[in-house]
This record gives sequence, structure tokens and C-alpha cells, in this order.
Amino acid sequence: DSGVTQTPKHLITATGQRVTLRCSPRSGDLSVYWYQQSLDQGLQFLIQYYNGEERAKGNILERFSAQQFPDLHSELNLSSLELGDSALYFCASSGERTSGGGWPTSTDTQYFGPGTRLTVL
Amino acid sequence: AQSVTQLDSHVSVSEGTPVLLRCNYSSSYSPSLFWYVQHPNKGLQLLLKYTSAATLVKGINGFEAEFKKSETSFHLTKPSAHMSDAAEYFCVVSDRQAAGNKLTFGGGTRVLVKP
Repeated sequence: DSGVTQTPKHLITATGQRVTLRCSPRSGDLSVYWYQQSLDQGLQFLIQYYNGEERAKGNILERFSAQQFPDLHSELNLSSLELGDSALYFCASSGERTSGGGWPTSTDTQYFGPGTRLTVL
Repeated sequence: AQSVTQLDSHVSVSEGTPVLLRCNYSSSYSPSLFWYVQHPNKGLQLLLKYTSAATLVKGINGFEAEFKKSETSFHLTKPSAHMSDAAEYFCVVSDRQAAGNKLTFGGGTRVLVKP
């Protein structure tokens, strides 16, 4: 168990709908990352938040958005869903709190949650 | 830009024989490299990571990997495969962006272990 939790585990919805995926990072971690895993694209980085602020963006569609709240949990919002959005969405966290501020570094281990499987019908 | 190539999409080994999973990377900066494992219907678990200390890195469950800068490789090995090693393995590179920390994944290698 990585300490990262994601809800829901499974989500089935229809095209055109909007869904929200939720992630709670490991206790003390300031960074949250979102990844998409699909058969055709593999595992792709979507977006990173650090202590409530967006820090890095990857291949995230404009229909998708995310935020990190003051309690450090994060939500990924997917709207106007298409069949091709069906995938496994992972959240990861890293960056324990340190007295120096705990800026994320490339050596940080990212701990992954169990994922949310989204099926768009 | 960074990229990772896992040279084999599938590897089949017999239980008790060595495992070799090959990975080549491309990175503009001095990279950090990771191997993650994903068991069926599970999340990703870190096996080991290289962060510019020792080039031979030991991980969990008997796995190890060697960083070879001249060959831009980070191959994963295990001397003796166990049935529980059947999973998908991802080689990952991390470059520090100006304000973030993005992981780039290889395409994955699915390992089958035969009894």
C-alpha cells in the first residue's frame, strides 16, 4: 500500500458527460501528479500540482482540468467525455515536507495510487 | 526532450532463470531513472531508482539495474525469476523541468514466467 488513495475505483459514464476523480496524497507529501494509462498511448503525464499551485503540464487536453486543495487532496475533472478518454487514471504523490520547503526534485520517488478506471460508453 | 525506449514489449522466462529487461533513455539533463512494476489490476510500485550515486542500483525483490551513461542504458536484471515476478515493468526517466518534475515512461515490458 503506497499511502495514496484514489476514488472511485471504477467509473462508467456516457459520452459528453463530466466526471471528477479524486486523489489523496501520502501524509506529508506536497506534490500531486496525474497520469493517464491507455492501450494506445501508454502511460502519459498529465499535470503536477505542488502545494496548491500548478507546477508542470504534460499532454493534458483542454477538456481536462485539475486542482489541489488546501488539505492537499487533488481532483481531476474530465468534461465532454469521448470514447477515447476511456483509460486508467493514476495519481501519484511525492515531496515530504521539509524545513527547507520541500521543493520537488527529479530524484523524488513518486508513489502511485491504485488508479481509477474510467469507461466511456 | 526526454524519452525512454524499452527494447522488448514481451519477455518470457522459466522460473529460476535470469531475467533481463532492456531500457535505453534520452535526456537533455543529468537524469534520474526508475523502474516501476505493475501487477495486474494494481497500481505502480517502485522497484529501484538511480540518482547519480552508485551506478549499480539494488532494488526490492532481488532486482538490480546498472546505469551506463556511455550506452544511455538502464537495464533491469534479476538472477532467478519467481512466478510472482509476472507483471508489466516500466523504465522511467525524470528530468527537472523549470518548475516541475515530470516522469516519462517507456512502453512497458510484460514478463511471463513459466513454471
